Amino acid sequence: NAGVTQTPKFQVLKTGQSMTLQCAQDMNHNSMYWYRQDPGMGLRLIYYSASEGTTDKGEVPNGYNVSRLNKREFSLRLESAAPSQTSVYFCASSTGGRGTEAFFGQGTRLTVV
Amino acid sequence: QKEVEQNSGPLSVPEGAIASLNCTYSDRGSQSFFWYRQYSGKSPELIMFIYSNGDKEDGRFTAQLNKASQYVSLLIRDSQPSDSATYLCAVNRDDYKLSFGAGTTVTVRA
Repeated sequence: NAGVTQTPKFQVLKTGQSMTLQCAQDMNHNSMYWYRQDPGMGLRLIYYSASEGTTDKGEVPNGYNVSRLNKREFSLRLESAAPSQTSVYFCASSTGGRGTEAFFGQGTRLTVV
Repeated sequence: QKEVEQNSGPLSVPEGAIASLNCTYSDRGSQSFFWYRQYSGKSPELIMFIYSNGDKEDGRFTAQLNKASQYVSLLIRDSQPSDSATYLCAVNRDDYKLSFGAGTTVTVRA
C-alpha cells in the first residue's frame, strides 16, 4: 500500500521560477490537503479539497494555486517562487467527516534561493 | 487569534513520569479534535481523536476534551524515551478543514 505519495522529495528553486508539487493517494479518500511546515509554526493549511471538484483556501494560500485533477490527485503550484516559500510541504488525505484520520505523505523539502 | 494554540514547550519529563500537553481552540463550532505525533524529519501520524466531552483512553494515552472551555489535552502516562517527539493538536471545524497548532516538543529523559 503506497498511501499518500508526494513528488519530488527535495527541490531547489531560484526566485521567480515555477513548479508543481504532485500528490496522489490510493485510499479512495474524498478529502485532500496541502500544508507547509516551518520551524516553530506547526502545520499551516494552504489549500484543501473536501471532495473531487472542489477546492478551498486555508490559512496561507497567497502565492499558491491548486488543482484537484481527479479523486486521487491534488497538485500544488508555485507560479513565482519566493524565498519565503522555503519550507517542508506535506500533502494529506482523509475520508472526510467527523473523527476521520488524515494520512500524510512523506513531505517535500523545498528551498528557494 | 490563531485557530489552534499549544504550549510551545519544550517539555522535558523523566522516564516513567506523566507528560501533560495542552491545546486551546478559537472556534466553538469545532467538532473533532486530534492529537498527532511527529518524529524529527518524519510525517505526522495520528495518536488519537476525540469528539465528546470527557476523557478517552488508549493505552498509555488519554485525551481530555472540554468544549465549554474550548480546551483539549493529552496525557502520556509512563513516558518512554520513544515518546520523545513533537505533538500536534488538530481541530476539524466542518468535517473537512483540518487546522493544526504549532506543536509541543516533548523530550523524555532516561
